[in-house]
Amino acid sequence: EAAVTQSPRSKVAVTGGKVTLSCHQTNNHDYMYWYRQDTGHGLRLIHYSYVADSTEKGDIPDGYKASRPSQENFSLILELASLSQTAVYFCASSEANSDYTFGSGTRLLVI
Amino acid sequence: SQLAEENSWALSVHEGESVTVNCSYKTSITALQWYRQKSGKGPAQLILIRSNEREKRNGRLRATLDTSSQSSSLSITATRCEDTAVYFCATDAATGNYKYVFGAGTRLKVIA
Repeated sequence: EAAVTQSPRSKVAVTGGKVTLSCHQTNNHDYMYWYRQDTGHGLRLIHYSYVADSTEKGDIPDGYKASRPSQENFSLILELASLSQTAVYFCASSEANSDYTFGSGTRLLVI
Repeated sequence: SQLAEENSWALSVHEGESVTVNCSYKTSITALQWYRQKSGKGPAQLILIRSNEREKRNGRLRATLDTSSQSSSLSITATRCEDTAVYFCATDAATGNYKYVFGAGTRLKVIA
């Protein structure tokens, strides 16, 4: 079954440390996205990609980098994690202007 | 400001009743999607309705789209306890790059 798999499921990071969140999709979709969700709020787009080896900034890219080394894989990198980056992060994939398939999320706690 | 937003923060209904969640948006769109997120899970798509469509159904779900008033509604009939979730609308803002902006969500509780 086509899916989006995120790893790790949860992580505790120290302030100033580097964090890498990984996402793998088996949907053969061109588009991949990283969103963050803060408690009680909707999803905000951080970075997205429509082709391997290329990424685009979303609405809240500051403090985050993204990497798309292949069609299947899309990573979100926090070079210097900060307390304000504590959130749940969701990866999604889609075809052009079609429904998104989301992963189960990564809970990140920065201390 | 939010490009898409649901009009209610939270709703509660009794099992078997019908409920409607409303959404308004601020820009031209090519499509609007409704998602449901259950506790501890990622959002799951319910309905995608394109700007040239006025209504779309998926089982007990019915979505409408009014581009003149820039609004959409999602109706659920014969609600069940498992419909308890957060419901989001998301719009593509007709930017041509297929990224969707999500509203803050409406929390629906279905009471047995």
